[in-house]
Amino acid sequence: QQQVKQSPQSLIVQKGGISIINCAYENTAFDYFPWYQQFPGKGPALLIAIRPDVSEKKEGRFTISFNKSAKQFSLHIMDSQPGDSATYFCAANQAGTALIFGKGTTLSVSS
Amino acid sequence: DVKVTQSSRYLVKRTGEKVFLECVQDMDHENMFWYRQDPGLGLRLIYFSYDVKMKEKGDIPEGYSVSREKKERFSLILESASTNQTSMYLCASSLNFSYEQYFGPGTRLTVT
Repeated sequence: QQQVKQSPQSLIVQKGGISIINCAYENTAFDYFPWYQQFPGKGPALLIAIRPDVSEKKEGRFTISFNKSAKQFSLHIMDSQPGDSATYFCAANQAGTALIFGKGTTLSVSS
Repeated sequence: DVKVTQSSRYLVKRTGEKVFLECVQDMDHENMFWYRQDPGLGLRLIYFSYDVKMKEKGDIPEGYSVSREKKERFSLILESASTNQTSMYLCASSLNFSYEQYFGPGTRLTVT
């Protein structure tokens, strides 16, 4: 019940295309859903986060879509660029508990 | 600019050695975390601390211990290093569990 399941494990997208990464969770008490981006040789960094009072959050080309009833949330990267090539982690938690991370998705954007 | 620093980027140790990984944050954060990252397994939480001298086990604490004597410093200790502890170790800190975690650059540990 504490897992966050992330898919796909890897993704190849053409430059200018849309990248979509999905995550699913079981614990209905989770109320914070961040996405982290990690470039090779660096630690992960927060990309965007959502709380369950909204169904969508957009920051530039990055959008989180949140479906509370389905217990799923996804990251959409519009107009994907080679510079977006990185590993992406979804995560979730409830107040006062440590984040639980998905296993990551390696995104490659080909030019 | 917020910062989490880790004592070494690369470390090579022999089986059975005692290993110390140090992490320092300059943001006055309450929470600090140690993760290990392995291909296909994502980020796995080893230990975390929510206050000085307070610690909690994460998902994979076996073979590790931690120390937090000062708010800004969180140490990970491998009492007797083994080859299956070869991994990337990442430290992070946050103001609150549901706020942004800031990660250090990681320490790649090889145990031979």
